[in-house]
Amino acid sequence: AQSVTQLGSHVSVSEGALVLLRCNYSSSVPPYLFWYVQYPNQGLQLLLKYTTGATLVKGINGFEAEFKKSETSFHLTKPSAHMSDAAEYFCAVGSGGYQKVTFGTGTKLQVIP
Amino acid sequence: KAGVTQTPRYLIKTRGQQVTLSCSPISGHRSVSWYQQTPGQGLQFLFEYFSETQRNKGNFPGRFSGRQFSNSRSEMNVSTLELGDSALYLCASSLEWNTGELFFGEGSRLTVL
Repeated sequence: AQSVTQLGSHVSVSEGALVLLRCNYSSSVPPYLFWYVQYPNQGLQLLLKYTTGATLVKGINGFEAEFKKSETSFHLTKPSAHMSDAAEYFCAVGSGGYQKVTFGTGTKLQVIP
Repeated sequence: KAGVTQTPRYLIKTRGQQVTLSCSPISGHRSVSWYQQTPGQGLQFLFEYFSETQRNKGNFPGRFSGRQFSNSRSEMNVSTLELGDSALYLCASSLEWNTGELFFGEGSRLTVL
């Protein structure tokens, strides 16, 4: 079985401040990990993914995430928040095979000018 | 390259009716997944199809069904609609089965009165 826990359903940051969105996963096999972003009235868009290899993954729009196996974490960061980053962010875990992709409950990011 | 197209975008039904939602995946993508998104339950997996075969199914009642055609287009059907079926239904396609790298459509927003 696999699961994802996103800490904090709402996060507020000031424009220009560091963005940190937390995600912890549970998987019985080596996981594939993803971050998706959803803007209002739109579908989800892939920000970045980790499958194997380098543990620091860079994505679109300046976001990156680090896979830490020892902590079972895959936190999303961005050095400097922009107003356009305001959206809902979803962490997801998959493991291939017959396991479906499981999404977290989402974190809404508010960027304060 | 055209993205994932879902139709209709918005629809209103009454309890007891049935509804069919359509999804056209990105050209060349053979896997289609469906998710239900609600404020209370978040993203919940409905089912995934690959090469016209259902590969995974979520925990939804039998009123929810789907299928995939030979051109990879997919439909989902909900019969005997209930108020709780009001949601955003998202379709996602991927190149191969269960990779987790999903490309989402903008969704079909269903309101049940």
